[in-house]
Amino acid sequence: NAGVTQTPKFQVLKTGQSMTLQCAQDMNHNSMYWYRQDPGMGLRLIYYSASEGTTDKGEVPNGYNVSRLNKREFSLRLESAAPSQTSVYFCASSIGQQEAFFGQGTRLTVV
Amino acid sequence: RKEVEQDPGPFNVPEGATVAFNCTYSNSASQSFFWYRQDCRKEPKLLMSVYSSGNEDGRFTAQLNRASQYISLLIRDSKLSDSATYLCAVNEDSSYKLIFGSGTRLLVRP
Repeated sequence: NAGVTQTPKFQVLKTGQSMTLQCAQDMNHNSMYWYRQDPGMGLRLIYYSASEGTTDKGEVPNGYNVSRLNKREFSLRLESAAPSQTSVYFCASSIGQQEAFFGQGTRLTVV
Repeated sequence: RKEVEQDPGPFNVPEGATVAFNCTYSNSASQSFFWYRQDCRKEPKLLMSVYSSGNEDGRFTAQLNRASQYISLLIRDSKLSDSATYLCAVNEDSSYKLIFGSGTRLLVRP
């Protein structure tokens, strides 16, 4: 039972580098989410996708892009990483407005 | 103003105590409400959904007050293993936008 799988689990980037965080779910969920979590800030929604083919901005979308590749996969791209994007990134999925299930997170450090 | 707000705590309570957390939300059209538990450096996991009529799961009770726009979580007979951060989450109207509060940290001491 894989659930929600995120890759990579850890990453160190230099300022200005780009990278894509991958997320895949095998629960046939239609909605997927990307969050970042910083100390004391809780989870902040970056982008979400209510269904395959749609994406919408969340609370903190600046500096990020997303792609809902198919129903299973939702990727998050940092085009030019900045130290302020050092964070833990969580992907989640749900059936509509039911509870969301999370991946184990990606710990990203931008130096 | 954040759309979903929680007291960050920490709440430091002895074993066996009863503790309650509140979470306020700003969008009156919000439709789904949840409490999640997050252990240090782990992903959040669903503790319970919050229904209009209130619901209970063992030592945990969740309530929704739509008029005042808040949800609550009551933990009875606290255990050491309840020490964690508790996050509330709110689904906004029909957009599937799931917003979290910043979390309330609970420390249960022997």
